[in-house]
Amino acid sequence: AQTVTQSQPEMSVQEAETVTLSCTYDTSENNYYLFWYKQPPSRQMILVIRQEAYKQQNATENRFSVNFQKAAKSFSLKISDSQLGDTAMYFCAFWSGNTPLVFGKGTRLSVIA
Amino acid sequence: DTGVSQNPRHKITKRGQNVTFRCDPISEHNRLYWYRQTLGQGPEFLTYFQNEAQLEKSRLLSDRFSAERPKGSFSTLEIQRTEQGDSAMYLCASSHRTVNTEAFFGQGTRLTVV
Repeated sequence: AQTVTQSQPEMSVQEAETVTLSCTYDTSENNYYLFWYKQPPSRQMILVIRQEAYKQQNATENRFSVNFQKAAKSFSLKISDSQLGDTAMYFCAFWSGNTPLVFGKGTRLSVIA
Repeated sequence: DTGVSQNPRHKITKRGQNVTFRCDPISEHNRLYWYRQTLGQGPEFLTYFQNEAQLEKSRLLSDRFSAERPKGSFSTLEIQRTEQGDSAMYLCASSHRTVNTEAFFGQGTRLTVV
């Protein structure tokens, strides 16, 4: 079974600074997808960024980018120029097509003014 | 289409009562997932459907829980004889089976068992 581990329960960052959230996973699959979801306080989960395992190039979405290391089974999220609105729970998730999404326990990020 | 809709948003029930939640997915999505989330934790998979077929059910799901998706459209999640440990946020998500499509989540139903 696939597992996703987020080793940082809480993190904080100053506004405009850069922060990196860590995620590792375990799988025997070769083709899969990795996601970072954001869940603001009392609001619904939304997708931040997606990475296909067969792509070597790291995904980027504006201020959000990932460092995908397939051999190490590592998938970290970098948030540049942090904004107050980035304050949220961040969940790393794994999907291999015919299984449901598997989530990590999350990292609570606080952006400090 | 306004996204995944869940009703009710909040439910308070007495221990031992039955409750039913509804999820309306995005209309062209053929996959529908139910997750449970407790405070400060990640979503925990409960079950999922492809069209009307229930493809997988978590081993963590007791037989007090049942889910249906008649006609492959909306889905209901019923909890019978609720217990205090059932108190959680119940999340529904939908996706299209083809690759490169993420799961879209509803706002959840928060259940409190008193």
